[in-house]
Amino acid sequence: DADVTQTPRNRITKTGKRIMLECSQTKGHDRMYWYRQDPGLGLRLIYYSFDVKDINKGEISDGYSVSRQAQAKFSLSLESAIPNQTALYFCATSGVGLAGGTSYNEQFFGPGTRLTVL
Amino acid sequence: TQLLEQSPQFLSIQEGENLTVYCNSSSVFSSLQWYRQEPGEGPVLLVTVVTGGEVRKLKRLTFQFGDARKDSSLHITAAQPGDTGLYLCAGAQPGGTSYGKLTFGQGTILTVHP
Repeated sequence: DADVTQTPRNRITKTGKRIMLECSQTKGHDRMYWYRQDPGLGLRLIYYSFDVKDINKGEISDGYSVSRQAQAKFSLSLESAIPNQTALYFCATSGVGLAGGTSYNEQFFGPGTRLTVL
Repeated sequence: TQLLEQSPQFLSIQEGENLTVYCNSSSVFSSLQWYRQEPGEGPVLLVTVVTGGEVRKLKRLTFQFGDARKDSSLHITAAQPGDTGLYLCAGAQPGGTSYGKLTFGQGTILTVHP
């Protein structure tokens, strides 16, 4: 089973709809991140959480919100989707984890959600 | 905000050729990671370089971290079609409240033709 899972994998929605993307991890990491990927722009950080009670904005947080329901779960919401939020969305984790041997700087990514806003 | 400039953005070569991808910044990073991403999947970590001047080799891939920890390169020897993918560099911010955050380059799309 994958260590970092994302649901849904694909979503098509209409302008103005509320959308939630979910992320779960079994790595035991305390840190979780949400990124969006657009062609030619690499990965840009939307929000990050260093533990359940700590949530921080990234460089492009406008129009997004997050919830850290548990150490293993981190969800991203688009309150009112707009077409320029069409992108690939990735969740990632980092931390010492259950198996040890990794650092906070090494991130492990989920398979991504392809979101299209019409 | 720290920026990482990655070049080239696109690279199309024949099997057996060598190539180098560059990642440059005016900022110092505590470490630098290289990731590879295939279509429909998330990025997968290839290597982390930590020490200025460090060179790491993984089979035909050679990674180097600049002496000042501001730049890095990825060199692939005798590229194969299986090397095709998106390569991303990412710098880890030095510390304080930003510790653990990564700044990503724009990515290099590599296509290796048989």
